[in-house]
Amino acid sequence: DAKTTQPPSMDCAEGRAANLPCNHSTISGNEYVYWYRQIHSQGPQYIIHGLKNNETNEMASLIITEDRKSSTLILPHATLRDTAVYYCIVRPVGNKLTFGGGTRVLVQP
Amino acid sequence: NAGVMQNPRHLVRRRGQEARLRCSPMKGHSHVYWYRQLPEEGLKFMVYLQKENIIDESGMPKERFSAEFPKEGPSILRIQQVVRGDSAAYFCASSPNKQETQYFGPGTRLLVL
Repeated sequence: DAKTTQPPSMDCAEGRAANLPCNHSTISGNEYVYWYRQIHSQGPQYIIHGLKNNETNEMASLIITEDRKSSTLILPHATLRDTAVYYCIVRPVGNKLTFGGGTRVLVQP
Repeated sequence: NAGVMQNPRHLVRRRGQEARLRCSPMKGHSHVYWYRQLPEEGLKFMVYLQKENIIDESGMPKERFSAEFPKEGPSILRIQQVVRGDSAAYFCASSPNKQETQYFGPGTRLLVL
């Protein structure tokens, strides 16, 4: 599985957009980019995923570079409840999820 | 539509006892994955099951751990003769097929005294 690199932590102001980067320079053509988050000790929560095109849903937007070697998760209006560890994962179709260290995001008032 | 359910949410066992963790997948999901999260660490894949079949058990410890997903009923992760190092949060996830997104349950926190 391709490895991902994320900053270990970042702070964000409440109400502002949070942009979370992820590098996955060894991604293969059939591997999807998935984002999950884990709030405190809860189960991981699915956020969004994509293959080549940018994606948007009610939670976030995912921007994938044209060469697919990096991506950015955008939380458009961060709230205190968005404080969590965010995991960027590249996953071949039908394969297990390999979690790295993630980015610990702290949303501050 | 209920999400993935796990029980018990908390389980305390003494060394040498057996632990049984249950996972009921989302309705319509026939694929189940188990992950373990040791204290202050990330989640690690353990095993992937489809109804009545183990598909990938590459992350399972070689001894004391087993998993099943019978035709009827929940998936069970069984840990025999627990040791203190088994203390962790155990999460299961389910998906309708192997291509689709995995959705996680709330986890079972196992504490071995």
